[in-house]
Amino acid sequence: DTAVSQTPKYLVTQMGNDKSIKCEQNLGHDTMYWYKQDSKKFLKIMFSYNNKELIINETVPNRFSPKSPDKAHLNLHINSLELGDSAVYFCASSTSPLELFFGSGTQLSVL
Amino acid sequence: DAKTTQPPSMDCAEGRAANLPCNHSTISGNEYVYWYRQIHSQGPQYIIHGLKNNETNEMASLIITEDRKSSTLILPHATLRDTAVYYCIVRVNTNAGKSTFGDGTTLTVKP
Repeated sequence: DTAVSQTPKYLVTQMGNDKSIKCEQNLGHDTMYWYKQDSKKFLKIMFSYNNKELIINETVPNRFSPKSPDKAHLNLHINSLELGDSAVYFCASSTSPLELFFGSGTQLSVL
Repeated sequence: DAKTTQPPSMDCAEGRAANLPCNHSTISGNEYVYWYRQIHSQGPQYIIHGLKNNETNEMASLIITEDRKSSTLILPHATLRDTAVYYCIVRVNTNAGKSTFGDGTTLTVKP
């Protein structure tokens, strides 16, 4: 009965590979987000989708492409992974912009 | 979003009230104050938010000064499970708003 679930929890891969992280929410929320938390624990928004429409796209390399097949899912695809992409990626959803529900995170390690 | 300043760390004795301050002297009239916390290795968890009035819920109380330039999150009876990083964020209440979680305050509750 997890509200916001993301898979995988851990992802270890080589530089140059392409990988995806999946996120699903069963809360009926219209808005979903991807956040990146770097090694200094600074949590920054990357993307936001509302009813499958992109509404926030921060300064993120084009190698990162979010895809929302329906409003309950927001996946993150990353091409040509680089060392600097190593971080924890959090998916979140909300019905109110003030109350976000976060997933448990995906720890990405690029070797 | 208005900038916020929080002490990097605080300690609190178990069972005592934990008072976490936040300065947001550049806050605008339509910006809300909201608080999240992040327990180690988990996603951030919403705690509470407010605009002008003090707020209370089952988790905490939020005290906002009359000039709205600072606020205090109060955990009335801290437990060991309240040990976490607490983030104070100021932003408008729209989906187009951007949420970046800054350094936060690491609260350590000690037995």
